[in-house]
Amino acid sequence: DGGITQSPKYLFRKEGQNVTLSCEQNLNHDAMYWYRQDPGQGLRLIYYSQIVNDFQKGDIAEGYSVSREKKESFPLTVTSAQKNPTAFYLCASNPGAMGNQPQHFGDGTRLSIL
Amino acid sequence: GQNIDQPTEMTATEGAIVQINCTYQTSGFNGLFWYQQHAGEAPTFLSYNVLDGLEEKGRFSSFLSRSKGYSYLLLKELQMKDSASYLCAGDARPSGGYQKVTFGTGTKLQVIP
Repeated sequence: DGGITQSPKYLFRKEGQNVTLSCEQNLNHDAMYWYRQDPGQGLRLIYYSQIVNDFQKGDIAEGYSVSREKKESFPLTVTSAQKNPTAFYLCASNPGAMGNQPQHFGDGTRLSIL
Repeated sequence: GQNIDQPTEMTATEGAIVQINCTYQTSGFNGLFWYQQHAGEAPTFLSYNVLDGLEEKGRFSSFLSRSKGYSYLLLKELQMKDSASYLCAGDARPSGGYQKVTFGTGTKLQVIP
């Protein structure tokens, strides 16, 4: 079955440490997205990519970095510059810019500070 | 940019009807999504409106008025399992560029017996 896989499900970060969240999709989607969700809040866009080797900053990109070297993969690195990284991180994909298609979401990664 | 507003919380009775409103201000607006999200889980797609009017899908219906920047999600015959957050999301192509989806903060619906 096609879908989006995020790993790990839970992740702990030490002070000053960079961590990378994995997102893989086998839906052959061009567009991929990273969102952050804080308790009782909606989803805020961190980064998005509509095509391989290209990505754009979302509304809260500071302290995060991404890469899109392969169509199926869009890893997110939470750097030490992100001072409040504790949140639920969701990766999503959809076919791409030309279609007004809903986003398919992974099951999320919950990141906490040690 | 995009600005999406929806109520924070609502309570409704099992078997009743509830309407969740959403207002938006979006440049390059394409359409509006509604998602359901149970606590601790990923959002799941409910509906997408691009034209004005009501779209019905079983117990759930969604309405859009582009001229008023307004949408609502209508849930009929409420069931306990409908207790969840409902996210309104604007679909836009700012300055004719790539698609960008912006979510509201979500409306937490509690269904009571």
